[in-house]
Amino acid sequence: NAGVTQTPKFRVLKTGQSMTLLCAQDMNHEYMYWYRQDPGMGLRLIHYSVGEGTTAKGEVPDGYNVSRLKKQNFLLGLESAAPSQTSVYFCASSYWPENQPQHFGDGTRLSIL
Amino acid sequence: KQEVTQIPAALSVPEGENLVLNCSFTDSAIYNLQWFRQDPGKGLTSLLLIQSSQREQTSGRLNASLDKSSGRSTLYIAASQPGDSATYLCAVNFGNEKLTFGTGTRLTIIP
Repeated sequence: NAGVTQTPKFRVLKTGQSMTLLCAQDMNHEYMYWYRQDPGMGLRLIHYSVGEGTTAKGEVPDGYNVSRLKKQNFLLGLESAAPSQTSVYFCASSYWPENQPQHFGDGTRLSIL
Repeated sequence: KQEVTQIPAALSVPEGENLVLNCSFTDSAIYNLQWFRQDPGKGLTSLLLIQSSQREQTSGRLNASLDKSSGRSTLYIAASQPGDSATYLCAVNFGNEKLTFGTGTRLTIIP
């Protein structure tokens, strides 16, 4: 049981390049989330999904897109990377958020030069 | 605006002491409150989840309390150990399917 797996763990991009971060969970969770963590800012929600085929905007969605074509996978895309998107990205999943905790992956460290 | 605050940002405590970490939030209408632990370079690990109807939850040496009327939660760690050194984050579900996180307290246990 791997839990929440994020791919890749590290990546360096040049400004303007695009990339996709993959999150996979094997717990059959309905809800999935993408966060970014920056020093002094805490975790901020980028996008989330309440089930297969659904997505919704979080607190800081600009510059990112997401897709949830399969229940177990949640993809985060950067179409044209900017230095302001340098951050650590975390994926999380859960059953019903009203009474179940979120389970986190180990993160992706992304640097935009 | 719904906000979660954790003060202090950092705390150092000698090994063996009991300690309390604080979390405050702006809206008393919550679904639940969660405490997480984050080790350097790692993701978050859920420690305790307190439902809106509960006053406290316990797991081993950890005890979390919730006072909705005052907008406060505490995480009590008994008999601290060097392995407890980590950043502890508080997060609140204000009833909109999402968590709002505090910025965390970085705890150092001094051997």
